[in-house]
Amino acid sequence: TQLLEQSPQFLSIQEGENLTVYCNSSSVFSSLQWYRQEPGEGPVLLVTVVTGGEVKKLKRLTFQFGDARKDSSLHITAAQPGDTGLYLCAGDAGTASKLTFGTGTRLQVTL
Amino acid sequence: KAGVTQTPRYLIKTRGQQVTLSCSPISGHRSVSWYQQTPGQGLQFLFEYFSETQRNKGNFPGRFSGRQFSNSRSEMNVSTLELGDSALYLCATRIGYGNEKLFFGSGTQLSVL
Repeated sequence: TQLLEQSPQFLSIQEGENLTVYCNSSSVFSSLQWYRQEPGEGPVLLVTVVTGGEVKKLKRLTFQFGDARKDSSLHITAAQPGDTGLYLCAGDAGTASKLTFGTGTRLQVTL
Repeated sequence: KAGVTQTPRYLIKTRGQQVTLSCSPISGHRSVSWYQQTPGQGLQFLFEYFSETQRNKGNFPGRFSGRQFSNSRSEMNVSTLELGDSALYLCATRIGYGNEKLFFGSGTQLSVL
């Protein structure tokens, strides 16, 4: 059974601070996705990383895929209240819809 | 373009009953996947349908079943409900059966009493 562990589980920070969320597994994934989910809504895809060592940037968000394709990180610079939500990583082992989701990181950004 | 539509939004059932949830995909999307989300287990894959055929299945008991119609709409059914089936059930759709982006609906919140 493939597992994706995310850390930290909860994060409460003030506006303007930086943070990093980690997603770790003992399994290799062909790609890894990051989602954000807001209360009462389904997850929304932020990014997909495919190549080991790949780095992608989405405005203030930086995503990295580990060299061995077993882990990933999400770094947010100068967090804003709009970044509040549940961040989920999801690994694709080759069947693109049968994603293995991480345990989630709940982020709260206050003014 | 309308998003993924799931109905009903909320549902309350009692143990032993059965329930049917519906998912209407984005126009043109032919693949529909179902996920269960609970605070303890997170998001877990149930199954995927493409062209009215189940293509993938997760590790859930046979009480959980689904189907897809010719217009790509999908339903999932849970029979003999248990308290542990209380969860947010999410539907995700994509254009085809490949490595495309998944679009999630807002889910159906099922409470089993």
